[in-house]
Amino acid sequence: GENVEQHPSTLSVQEGDSAVIKCTYSDSASNYFPWYKQELGKRPQLIIDIRSNVGEKKDQRIAVTLNKTAKHFSLHITETQPEDSAVYFCAAGTGTASKLTFGTGTRLQVTL
Amino acid sequence: DAGVIQSPRHEVTEMGQEVTLRCKPISGHDYLFWYRQTMMRGLELLIYFNNNVPIDDSGMPEDRFSAKMPNASFSTLKIQPSEPRDSAVYFCASSFGDAQYFGPGTRLLVL
Repeated sequence: GENVEQHPSTLSVQEGDSAVIKCTYSDSASNYFPWYKQELGKRPQLIIDIRSNVGEKKDQRIAVTLNKTAKHFSLHITETQPEDSAVYFCAAGTGTASKLTFGTGTRLQVTL
Repeated sequence: DAGVIQSPRHEVTEMGQEVTLRCKPISGHDYLFWYRQTMMRGLELLIYFNNNVPIDDSGMPEDRFSAKMPNASFSTLKIQPSEPRDSAVYFCASSFGDAQYFGPGTRLLVL
């Protein structure tokens, strides 16, 4: 089955700096890669996703890049703000309404 | 839309008791997923349904767990008998297409 590895497990940045979280996956058939943000005690919330026919996608301060050859994808957050502090999960899936395999999460802390 | 609805939000029970978790997906969504989240194992997919039919239950840990979806607007996850190691947050998610939207979760504590 699919295996998703996520790094780093924790990340501390100063407000205004950029943050990058990286994930690798094992199943070359995976074609859907969402990112979720989970605040303490809350549900995972979808923040951005990318499909395998796209190399990069951007939404305001958030961008995701995908390298299918190397089987890795990354989340980039620019101009970080304290409200970006949360746990971020990457996931990989195949097919329509993908069965997702999640990474282990990255705890991002944005300090003032 | 109210989003995915789950009940109860918190459940405390004693070992050996039956626990039933409930989920109402977003209207119009045809896929429903049950996940379990723990510190040790992260987010694990337990089972998912398409048009009320179970498609993949390979993540269900053992026979003590069962899930049903009697109609498009309701699903249950049952644990019988419950054990302390079942303590976790159980999330339901629904989708129409790829993007999955999670409910608020049920925090289960088995004593």
